[in-house]
Amino acid sequence: DGGITQSPKYLFRKEGQNVTLSCEQNLNHDAMYWYRQDPGQGLRLIYYSQIVNDFQKGDIAEGYSVSREKKESFPLTVTSAQKNPTAFYLCASSIRENTEAFFGQGTRLTVV
Amino acid sequence: AQSVTQLGSHVSVSEGALVLLRCNYSSSVPPYLFWYVQYPNQGLQLLLKYTSAATLVKGINGFEAEFKKSETSFHLTKPSAHMSDAAEYFCAVSLAGGTSYGKLTFGQGTILTVHP
Repeated sequence: DGGITQSPKYLFRKEGQNVTLSCEQNLNHDAMYWYRQDPGQGLRLIYYSQIVNDFQKGDIAEGYSVSREKKESFPLTVTSAQKNPTAFYLCASSIRENTEAFFGQGTRLTVV
Repeated sequence: AQSVTQLGSHVSVSEGALVLLRCNYSSSVPPYLFWYVQYPNQGLQLLLKYTSAATLVKGINGFEAEFKKSETSFHLTKPSAHMSDAAEYFCAVSLAGGTSYGKLTFGQGTILTVHP
């Protein structure tokens, strides 16, 4: 089945540690996105990539990093510089600009 | 820059009643508009989309939305609510071209509760 796979579903991190969230898609989509979701704040864009080896900062990129070495993969690293990393993280992809985005099931990150 | 405002963070209806979730957008160019639904601890699923064709858009699960340029609105409706409609709903906008190329901007979300 085609889709977007995020792993792990739940992740716990100690303060001061970096952690990488995985996102893989087999939809052959060019564009991929990372969003952060907090209660009552909707989804906020962290990073997006429209083509391999290229990515752009979204609205809340500070404390995060990404790579896009393969079309299928867009991992997100939450660094120790992110002051409030506890949140629900959603990865998405789309065929091209201005088309609907397809979402993964999310990763819930908790800092302990 | 584009923005989306969803009026009402919580909406409560009785089973069988009309569902109306409000969405207003702002943009300087014609937008593309989307409604998504999210169930607890899951990703988002597309309900419907407007991409400059018909102004009345029909989606899945009996939902529809009407694009009204004069009111900059894209409200979501369903004639008769079902218990399974209880979820959080997000309106989103994307602009053609410019620095907003390919980016979706989401509203704050509306949590729909359906009472028996």
